[in-house]
Amino acid sequence: DVKVTQSSRYLVKRTGEKVFLECVQDMDHENMFWYRQDPGLGLRLIYFSYDVKMKEKGDIPEGYSVSREKKERFSLILESASTNQTSMYLCASSFARAPSEQYFGPGTRLTVT
Amino acid sequence: DAKTTQPTSMDCAEGRAANLPCNHSTISGNEYVYWYRQIHSQGPQYIIHGLKNNETNEMASLIITEDRKSSTLILPHATLRDTAVYYCIVRARTTDSWGKFQFGAGTQVVVTP
Repeated sequence: DVKVTQSSRYLVKRTGEKVFLECVQDMDHENMFWYRQDPGLGLRLIYFSYDVKMKEKGDIPEGYSVSREKKERFSLILESASTNQTSMYLCASSFARAPSEQYFGPGTRLTVT
Repeated sequence: DAKTTQPTSMDCAEGRAANLPCNHSTISGNEYVYWYRQIHSQGPQYIIHGLKNNETNEMASLIITEDRKSSTLILPHATLRDTAVYYCIVRARTTDSWGKFQFGAGTQVVVTP
């Protein structure tokens, strides 16, 4: 079974803090994605990566950065957390040949106060 | 991505088959039909996908009409754990389809004892 794990299920941070969200997949997938999911707005892509050290901006990259130093690990960084970044964050991965067959992690519910 | 139309909600008795319809009349030739589901407060889960032939895996079966304008996801023996929102998505399988993973409103399936 494909397994995508995320470092925390729930996280509470203060405004201005630096926040790290980690994602690890064990299926040797080339592609990895970070999304946020908000009620009424659906799933929105923040960043994705199709190879180690490669990254591409998604639809809403502002306020976020990412790091992919190893194939299995993709980190999302909030440089200075703000209350409008309170959301459910979802990591996903897929093979390069099938980018639409994405396997999602359990999600991290981040609250910024 | 082609637009999809699904019923808002559906009830199903435990142990019976659940048949979830999806209309995608504007589907183009290179677009696949994907099904995902999301159990409350969890990440989306990939179920199955197909192009034009019927597909079956350990979770479900996918029946696509000959004109490809609609499809049906079949959960053969629904369990209480199948209660979730089910999303039908139509998109190309190629790397041109980064992001824009629009889940839509989906069908809320409630499996009752």
